Amino acid sequence: GQQVMQIPQYQHVQEGEDFTTYCNSSTTLSNIQWYKQRPGGHPVFLIQLVKSGEVKKQKRLTFQFGEAKKNSSLHITATQTTDVGTYFCAGQDTGNQFYFGTGTSLTVIP
Amino acid sequence: EPEVTQTPSHQVTQMGQEVILRCVPISNHLYFYWYRQILGQKVEFLVSFYNNEISEKSEIFDDQFSVERPDGSNFTLKIRSTKLEDSAMYFCASSWTSGGSYEQYFGPGTRLTVT
Repeated sequence: GQQVMQIPQYQHVQEGEDFTTYCNSSTTLSNIQWYKQRPGGHPVFLIQLVKSGEVKKQKRLTFQFGEAKKNSSLHITATQTTDVGTYFCAGQDTGNQFYFGTGTSLTVIP
Repeated sequence: EPEVTQTPSHQVTQMGQEVILRCVPISNHLYFYWYRQILGQKVEFLVSFYNNEISEKSEIFDDQFSVERPDGSNFTLKIRSTKLEDSAMYFCASSWTSGGSYEQYFGPGTRLTVT
């Protein structure tokens, strides 16, 4: 079945360093969404990418969708302690089912 | 700001018992979802619901699971005969349209513990 993998599983960075998480799907996606989940919290939507090769920015966050619509990345510039949490990608196929990635847990050391 | 609510926040049940998890989606949303997350693991899709019927379900959503929208506001997940491995956080989510361009709003979750 469909699988969505993320790397790395864990990332520890010093505050101010950059961070990137990568998401890879076994099949082509119609779109991909990114979520952030704080410890003990629920997933909170960050962004959705639909077009092949799409790049979107939200302040210090940059999101990319691959040309083949099978991979995506999230890059955070100059991390802050408020960025702590687990970042999940969630790919949607042609139906109404979402496949969440395995997540990347980000720790920011002050 | 509108939000998805879920009750109870924590449910403890014995193996073999039935449980009903309740959700109130955002009022003008059309699509509803249930997910589960075993502690420390990824979020797993269970089922999506639109126009009063299931639109997609995963392999996890077997015959012991069912969903209902009984009164136009609540959205429930029933597990008929709970097993130890059903212990997880269950999240309800709702969205305006199916992934086309709109995000899913997640509720705070119900932690289900099966003993």
